[in-house]
Amino acid sequence: KAGVTQTPRYLIKTRGQQVTLSCSPISGHRSVSWYQQTPGQGLQFLFEYFSETQRNKGNFPGRFSGRQFSNSRSEMNVSTLELGDSALYLCASSLGQLNTGELFFGEGSRLTVL
Amino acid sequence: GQQVMQIPQYQHVQEGEDFTTYCNSSTTLSNIQWYKQRPGGHPVFLIQLVKSGEVKKQKRLTFQFGEAKKNSSLHITATQTTDVGTYFCADPPTYNQGGKLIFGQGTELSVKP
Repeated sequence: KAGVTQTPRYLIKTRGQQVTLSCSPISGHRSVSWYQQTPGQGLQFLFEYFSETQRNKGNFPGRFSGRQFSNSRSEMNVSTLELGDSALYLCASSLGQLNTGELFFGEGSRLTVL
Repeated sequence: GQQVMQIPQYQHVQEGEDFTTYCNSSTTLSNIQWYKQRPGGHPVFLIQLVKSGEVKKQKRLTFQFGEAKKNSSLHITATQTTDVGTYFCADPPTYNQGGKLIFGQGTELSVKP
């Protein structure tokens, strides 16, 4: 069974640009969540989607957005990039039903903002 | 807001020594999960504890959930270089809230051979 796939793995952007990251969950998993990981703030929850609906949102500005498609694949977008957006963005999938079992993380997309 | 505090932030041990990381919550937890992230890698699920006072073992790893369900610990006996990484505890969401985990800051373990 293929794991969670994230693309691109690495990218460099400049301030003011926007970026779109993609995540393909494990087959059969309907919940996709996104996390930002930085040395200073650790792992912080961005948002979670289940059956194309955003169920949860973390405490991030509106520049951070996401969506989920009917095949459970998800994208997140960051507009008007700032230097502080440099981070590892991790996608995680789970069955996402009544309770959260384990999350399966992808390798992440490492974003550098110059 | 809800917080999960984890200590220590760093731990350097000699191979063969034991290691323990502690996780404390400001609120009572329903469950707690533990993850390991190798350097350059991504978090990998280790275990979920559910019951008050629960103790679970995975080979050299022992996980414990406090009686009041407000703290947890991970103990590694006789560390090996393969144990290197950052260990995170995480507070899973309640019913039907999907993948929103509140992670502790993590304990970075380095093992000197």
